[in-house]
Amino acid sequence: GNSVTQMEGPVTLSEEAFLTINCTYTATGYPSLFWYVQYPGEGLQLLLKATKADDKGSNKGFEATYRKETTSFHLEKGSVQVSDSAVYFCALRREYGNKLVFGAGTILRVKS
Amino acid sequence: ETGVTQSPTHLIKTRGQQVTLRCSSQSGHNTVSWYQQALGQGPQFIFQYYREEENGRGNFPPRFSGLQFPNYSSELNVNALELDDSALYLCASSLAGGAFHEQYFGPGTRLTVT
Repeated sequence: GNSVTQMEGPVTLSEEAFLTINCTYTATGYPSLFWYVQYPGEGLQLLLKATKADDKGSNKGFEATYRKETTSFHLEKGSVQVSDSAVYFCALRREYGNKLVFGAGTILRVKS
Repeated sequence: ETGVTQSPTHLIKTRGQQVTLRCSSQSGHNTVSWYQQALGQGPQFIFQYYREEENGRGNFPPRFSGLQFPNYSSELNVNALELDDSALYLCASSLAGGAFHEQYFGPGTRLTVT
C-alpha cells in the first residue's frame, strides 16, 4: 500500500540553524509529493509540492526534491526562524488518486 | 475570498452518542474531503464528496457517513461514538479535475468522546 515515513521529532534548533526533516515514501507508479505545515490551533497549509521525479518544490525558503531512486522527499531550509516552529507533514497523492496519505508529522521547535 | 470554515470548534460527547460536524468549503470549490487526525498522528482520509456524491472512501466503518449539499458545504456524521473517535476532524475543499488542485484545510473540529 501507499505510506509515508517521517523522522521522529521533536526537532529543536537554534535560530538561523540549518533544517532537514527526512521523508521517505512507498507507492506504486508516480505519486505527487507534498509538505504541509500546521501551526498551533490552525489547519494544514500546503508548503510546497512536486509532481514528478527530480522536481524541486520551494516556498518561503523551504525546499524539497522528489528523488525517485531513493523514494525520498526531504524538507530543507538554510536558516530557520522562531516563526517556523510548527508541525510539518509529508504527504503523497498517488497517480489519479483523490486522497492524501500523510506521515505522522514532525514537530519543529526553534529557539531564539 | 472566504476560506474553509468548520463548526463547532470543540465538542464533547459520550460513548454511544451521535455527532454531526459541519464544513463550509472555500468559494468556488466543488469537492470536500474529510480527514481524522488522532493526537500525535497524521491525518487519515475518511472520504471525499464531489457534486453531492461520495467519491472515494478510506478505511473507516459505515458509522462514519457524510453529505454534501448543493452549495458544496458538507457534513460528517458519526454514529455510535467510541472512545477512539476522539480526534481532530479536518475538512478540506478543492476543485475536482485531472490535475491536482490544492486542498485547502479548515481549522478542524476537536471531538472528545468520554
